[in-house]
Amino acid sequence: DVKVTQSSRYLVKRTGEKVFLECVQDMDHENMFWYRQDPGLGLRLIYFSYDVKMKEKGDIPEGYSVSREKKERFSLILESASTNQTSMYLCASHSGQGSTDTQYFGPGTRLTVL
Amino acid sequence: RKEVEQDPGPFNVPEGATVAFNCTYSNSASQSFFWYRQDCRKEPKLLMSVYSSGNEDGRFTAQLNRASQYISLLIRDSKLSDSATYLCAVIPWGYQKVTFGTGTKLQVIP
Repeated sequence: DVKVTQSSRYLVKRTGEKVFLECVQDMDHENMFWYRQDPGLGLRLIYFSYDVKMKEKGDIPEGYSVSREKKERFSLILESASTNQTSMYLCASHSGQGSTDTQYFGPGTRLTVL
Repeated sequence: RKEVEQDPGPFNVPEGATVAFNCTYSNSASQSFFWYRQDCRKEPKLLMSVYSSGNEDGRFTAQLNRASQYISLLIRDSKLSDSATYLCAVIPWGYQKVTFGTGTKLQVIP
């Protein structure tokens, strides 16, 4: 079974703080993704990575950055947290190009920015 | 037009009922299709893949209609535990990103 883990289930931060969300997968997947999910808006892709040190902007990258130094780990960084970044953050991984398999999600981090 | 569209619901159905959801997609070059289930405040979990020939897993049946560009999920003999949001997911040919629908909420009532 694919296992995707995220560093925290719940996080409370203050406006202006730098926030790190960590995601680790144990299936040697090439692709990793960060989404946020808000009521009524569904899953929105923030950034994704299809290789170590590679990253691509998703649909809503503003206010976020990412880091992928190792294949199994993909970090999401909020440089200066704002209240509108309060959300559920979901990491996912996918085996890679040519695969007909789908993405597998981590348990999510519910971030509250005060 | 959104790439993947679902009726948000909620669908309120009595226990034992049969319920069906559709999901339409706009990219005719879509390759792979899936249904996920998401419980409240949890992550989406893969429910089943959708094959061209259709597939069945117990009370759940998924079908693909390429001509009309939609996939469907049928749940028979609904249980209270089926209450959740069901998301469809589509992967285009040669593409590495999955596009998700916003989900359809199902509430099974005693």
